[in-house]
Amino acid sequence: EVQLVESGGGLVQPGGSLRLSCVASGFTFSDYQMDWVRQAPGKGLEWVGRSRGKTKSYTTEYVASVKGRFTISRDHSKNSLYLEMNSLKTEDTAVYYCTRDNWGSDYWGQGAWVTVSS
Amino acid sequence: QSVLTQPPSASETPGQRVTISCSGSISNIGSFDVHWYQQFPGTAPKLLVHRDSQRLSGVPDRFSGSKSGTSASLVISGLRSEDEADYYCAAWDGSLRGLSFGGGTKLTVL
Repeated sequence: EVQLVESGGGLVQPGGSLRLSCVASGFTFSDYQMDWVRQAPGKGLEWVGRSRGKTKSYTTEYVASVKGRFTISRDHSKNSLYLEMNSLKTEDTAVYYCTRDNWGSDYWGQGAWVTVSS
Repeated sequence: QSVLTQPPSASETPGQRVTISCSGSISNIGSFDVHWYQQFPGTAPKLLVHRDSQRLSGVPDRFSGSKSGTSASLVISGLRSEDEADYYCAAWDGSLRGLSFGGGTKLTVL
């Protein structure tokens, strides 16, 4: 059974940092593209970034609003995907989902809340 | 402002048919696959239709997707009260080099 479990969310002050983790199970993690998608309170879905799979050398892409501040990485020994978030802004407040991309995000984690507030 | 444009709301009575549109451009819908998601309050989205028109396993055939040019549509026929949810389209954008979501359509079953 495919599972994605996020952790690491919390309350952080503007300008602070946070790292989200997503542990994957039930599939060959290295073979798949993985995305981070966020949703601000009461708002729609926003794609944050992507880590491509092995065949694409795990290259990454990011939405313009987080480029230079957020970094996606993987640890294949732990079947884990990470989202390192620096220089956080209040507008980064959202629930962050880890998703597996398989011609669309076919599996989603339960989400991790990130609140950026002083 | 979303790159993909959806109506913010739609409504119809049970048993009827509703169409949710998603309008884009040559750099997204015109060049890449469109995917449709359903989301209930407080839960993660669920992929309903991918690659423009392919339903995921277990998705009722009441849900169908289509695409023409730079626009896509999700049609829900035989509406049921449990279809009341938010629906989002998504497509890769070659110009932005990123995935774009529509702003979402809140479907109300009257």
